[in-house]
Amino acid sequence: GESVGLHLPTLSVQEGDNSIINCAYSNSASDYFIWYKQESGKGPQFIIDIRSNMDKRQGQRVTVLLNKTVKHLSLQIAATQPGDSAVYFCAVRGMDTGRRALTFGSGTRLQVQP
Amino acid sequence: GAGVSQSPSNKVTEKGKDVELRCDPISGHTALYWYRQSLGQGLEFLIYFQGNSAPDKSGLPSDRFSAERTGGSVSTLTIQRTQQEDSAVYLCASSPADRVGGYTFGSGTRLTVV
Repeated sequence: GESVGLHLPTLSVQEGDNSIINCAYSNSASDYFIWYKQESGKGPQFIIDIRSNMDKRQGQRVTVLLNKTVKHLSLQIAATQPGDSAVYFCAVRGMDTGRRALTFGSGTRLQVQP
Repeated sequence: GAGVSQSPSNKVTEKGKDVELRCDPISGHTALYWYRQSLGQGLEFLIYFQGNSAPDKSGLPSDRFSAERTGGSVSTLTIQRTQQEDSAVYLCASSPADRVGGYTFGSGTRLTVV
């Protein structure tokens, strides 16, 4: 089955710096990858996604990088702001399982220091 | 409504009692998912409904857990004979058809079994 892990449970950055949150996945057949942001007391909120036929995708202040060779996914947040403080989850879908649901990592808590 | 609505937002129950958790998806969203999030953990898939197809129940942890979706809209997750390890936040998400990236999560029901 799929397993998804994150390299660091907590990441602390200074306001204005860039943040990089990493994620490793196990299933080479995974075809779709998403990053979610979860603030305290709320459900996860979609940030950005990427399909397996791409290796980079950019949004507003966020970039997702996919390295299928080493099964690694990262989220880069430019000019991190206090409002970016939250838990970030990567989520992965593996087409070979036939399951439409996503497998989530355990999350990285991003703390932005003023 | 504009978002996914879950009720109750908090539920405290005694061990051995049955509980029902409700999810009202976004109107028109045919896919509905239930996830469970234990304290400080990632999201664990429970069950997935897509239109009139048979649900994917592969994530349900035991036969004490069941879910139904009436009329392709509202869903109820039932936990029978609750145990302390059932304590978690239960999250519901919906999406248009099978568009995974379009998941919209509710704020969840925090279940505490005492």
